[in-house]
Amino acid sequence: DQQVKQNSPSLSVQEGRISILNCDYTNSMFDYFLWYKKYPAEGPTFLISISSIKDKNEDGRFTVFLNKSAKHLSLHIVPSQPGDSAVYFCAASAGNNDMRFGAGTRLTVKP
Amino acid sequence: DAGVIQSPRHEVTEMGQEVTLRCKPISGHDYLFWYRQTMMRGLELLIYFNNNVPIDDSGMPEDRFSAKMPNASFSTLKIQPSEPRDSAVYFCASSPPGGVNQPQHFGDGTRLSIL
Repeated sequence: DQQVKQNSPSLSVQEGRISILNCDYTNSMFDYFLWYKKYPAEGPTFLISISSIKDKNEDGRFTVFLNKSAKHLSLHIVPSQPGDSAVYFCAASAGNNDMRFGAGTRLTVKP
Repeated sequence: DAGVIQSPRHEVTEMGQEVTLRCKPISGHDYLFWYRQTMMRGLELLIYFNNNVPIDDSGMPEDRFSAKMPNASFSTLKIQPSEPRDSAVYFCASSPPGGVNQPQHFGDGTRLSIL
């Protein structure tokens, strides 16, 4: 039962442009959302999070948007850099430590 | 500070053998999580502990899988007997006290191949 879905397995963008990674969820009890970045042969590392009481959270080049009515969140990276090339995981939790992850989206930023 | 440490990094073994994966969480973290990553299902939570006590093991796929946390600085995930479909990358993660919604810190994983 995939409660968190990342429907795009891969995304390719040009350096300097915007990267938009999308995530959908089905459980209306989720109230905390996170994005993790993963490089090959390493574990995922925390990138940015957002609580359900907000609709936007920004940290430098990274912004996460939350649309609760649509059960959708997105991660924007502006401007994209080659070092951003990685797999990005969306995750969600419902006020506990049972965090559900999406299958990931592989981002490639071309120089 | 040292991050989450997992061993071994790679394990190749034959079907039917016992496999033991090890994890040392970050000192001071009181939550420990075991995940499995596959191409088809992404990252799946297998089990998590709080203060060395298993809280939710509903993600453990079968009785062949077991996990223990004998103390705050060590956990194991055991598969006995192993099967080819267990081949995956297994991650351990820990998070600090402070209630829920703490970002988890992941180890670099163990890549397990069952022949």
